Amino acid sequence: AQTVTQSQPEMSVQEAETVTLSCTYDTSESDYYLFWYKQPPSRQMILVIRQEAYKQQNATENRFSVNFQKAAKSFSLKISDSQLGDAAMYFCAYRFWVGGSEKLVFGKGTKLTVNP
Amino acid sequence: NAGVTQTPKFRVLKTGQSMTLLCAQDMNHEYMYWYRQDPGMGLRLIHYSVGEGTTAKGEVPDGYNVSRLKKQNFLLGLESAAPSQTSVYFCASMWAGKIYEQYFGPGTRLTVT
Repeated sequence: AQTVTQSQPEMSVQEAETVTLSCTYDTSESDYYLFWYKQPPSRQMILVIRQEAYKQQNATENRFSVNFQKAAKSFSLKISDSQLGDAAMYFCAYRFWVGGSEKLVFGKGTKLTVNP
Repeated sequence: NAGVTQTPKFRVLKTGQSMTLLCAQDMNHEYMYWYRQDPGMGLRLIHYSVGEGTTAKGEVPDGYNVSRLKKQNFLLGLESAAPSQTSVYFCASMWAGKIYEQYFGPGTRLTVT
């Protein structure tokens, strides 16, 4: 079964500090995509960053970067210079294709608190 | 662009009642999805559509039906609501192709008593 595991239900960080959220996934596919989504209290799911599995270079979007370890099936998110607005639920997701059908599997999420 | 919109935002149903949730997108996306989100869980796919007139089952399709009569709309129906269907429902849409991400609506909070 394809699964996504976020082992940290909750994390906290001081404003301006750096925090890393972990994600591991289980797959036998070779072609897939990984995503981190942010869900603030407003509930809207917002894409933070994405990574194509065939790319070795880690994706970066401003203060957000990933550490993609394909062999270890690990996809962690690093938030640098944390801001109060970063407080949210963060979901790791994994997209793959089986028999021509797309599948998107989400982890259970990590609640990030940013302390002033 | 309004993006992805969902109607209604909140709804309370009694067990056995029926209702339809509407998702609309104005981005000309081919793919549309319905998810449910329960406390302590990530999103789980209910049904999805890869184009007008086509639908497919996701991970948790039982108790739900969908229709995609127009490209911009994706309807989720509950024929006989059950308390187990109390959840927050999210719609999403996406361009066809591997490299694109899904755009999500704001969600509908449904309570079944």
